[in-house]
Amino acid sequence: DTEVTQTPKHLVMGMTNKKSLKCEQHMGHRAMYWYKQKAKKPPELMFVYSYEKLSINESVPSRFSPECPNSSLLNLHLHALQPEDSALYLCASSQEVREREPQHFGDGTRLSIL
Amino acid sequence: GQQVMQIPQYQHVQEGEDFTTYCNSSTTLSNIQWYKQRPGGHPVFLIQLVKSGEVKKQKRLTFQFGEAKKNSSLHITATQTTDVGTYFCAGKAYLVNTGFQKLVFGTGTRLLVSP
Repeated sequence: DTEVTQTPKHLVMGMTNKKSLKCEQHMGHRAMYWYKQKAKKPPELMFVYSYEKLSINESVPSRFSPECPNSSLLNLHLHALQPEDSALYLCASSQEVREREPQHFGDGTRLSIL
Repeated sequence: GQQVMQIPQYQHVQEGEDFTTYCNSSTTLSNIQWYKQRPGGHPVFLIQLVKSGEVKKQKRLTFQFGEAKKNSSLHITATQTTDVGTYFCAGKAYLVNTGFQKLVFGTGTRLLVSP
């Protein structure tokens, strides 16, 4: 069982839809992350939040909009996505954004864009 | 930017055989982490190595960090079907403009174990 909870587990949406991915952790972690993972590839970092502030945006297109409402929650708002955005979206958390902190991953949301 | 390569990409072994994956970074790493991702699952943290030449063991798994801190390896003795999955190494990369670090995952090695 993972301590990072992501919903929904699966999402199918059209290119004109607006949807949101949600992530929650109750480990008291102050760093939260969004990753994108394509099949048979490693996770690629999208965003990092540290103490509820956006610290890193890896040049992600504006059709992906992250939000951190509080220290336990992380959202990823999706709008006007493209078919190439179909992937597994992983949320992770760590104690803080420090060198030696392991990251705890959620099960992910498997996203398909029609 | 920093690149972390792993070899082999894929390995298929018989249960009981040994397995090794090698991780090579284009830059010196302050530390290296290893993760395992089961098919259909998410990455799970296994271990972290910090010191040059460090060796750590977890039951049948042996992890090494190179002397130059640019490479690492994971060796599994007598594989079991439960070892199936993709093994990723991951190192930290500094982002010059922000002063922050990000975790850069290696390309991964997919292990298949036949009974």
